Amino acid sequence: EAGVVQSPRYKIIEKKQPVAFWCNPISGHNTLYWYRQNLGQGPELLIRYENEEAVDDSQLPKDRFSAERLKGVDSTLKIQPAELGDSAVYLCASSVMGTAGETQYFGPGTRLLVL
Amino acid sequence: DQQVKQNSPSLSVQEGRISILNCDYTNSMFDYFLWYKKYPAEGPTFLISISSIKDKNEDGRFTVFLNKSAKHLSLHIVPSQPGDSAVYFCAASTQTGANNLFFGTGTRLTVIP
Repeated sequence: EAGVVQSPRYKIIEKKQPVAFWCNPISGHNTLYWYRQNLGQGPELLIRYENEEAVDDSQLPKDRFSAERLKGVDSTLKIQPAELGDSAVYLCASSVMGTAGETQYFGPGTRLLVL
Repeated sequence: DQQVKQNSPSLSVQEGRISILNCDYTNSMFDYFLWYKKYPAEGPTFLISISSIKDKNEDGRFTVFLNKSAKHLSLHIVPSQPGDSAVYFCAASTQTGANNLFFGTGTRLTVIP
């Protein structure tokens, strides 16, 4: 079974430039998450989708961040304009409900460096 | 406020010995706990989980113990292997509700051959 796919793996941009990240979840997983992981920290949730609906975007900085999940499969996370503090790893995850609880599976992440 | 805490940033263990990674949480509503392993330049990989109705879950060399009264869980790896060297993240969620995961800051395990 293919895992969560993310692209690009690495991105270097100058501040004030836009950037976009793409995620393809595991087939059949209806729930999709975007996380941001800063150096030395655990991942922190940005937004959660149930199919094409964003059910929790309370942690998404909406002045510069946007996300979409058209057709409830692939998702795109955008930052415009990027700031120096946005340098981090952006992780996408999708989940499946097991007998004990919901388990999230992560992609490899996109490492963003803003100069 | 960090709801999930891993107070040991690093741990070194000899190959073949037991590795014990610890995690504490503050939110009594958490009822599902997971451990993830992360290698450099990769995303976190799911390792093992436990529901709050249990106090132990075992999968091969990996066992997770949950002490609800102490709001503490631990991951035991025995015997430890050099390939286990990675950063281990503890995560918690409430299955009734948002299901959002809250992560600790990670513990870097080094297994010395």
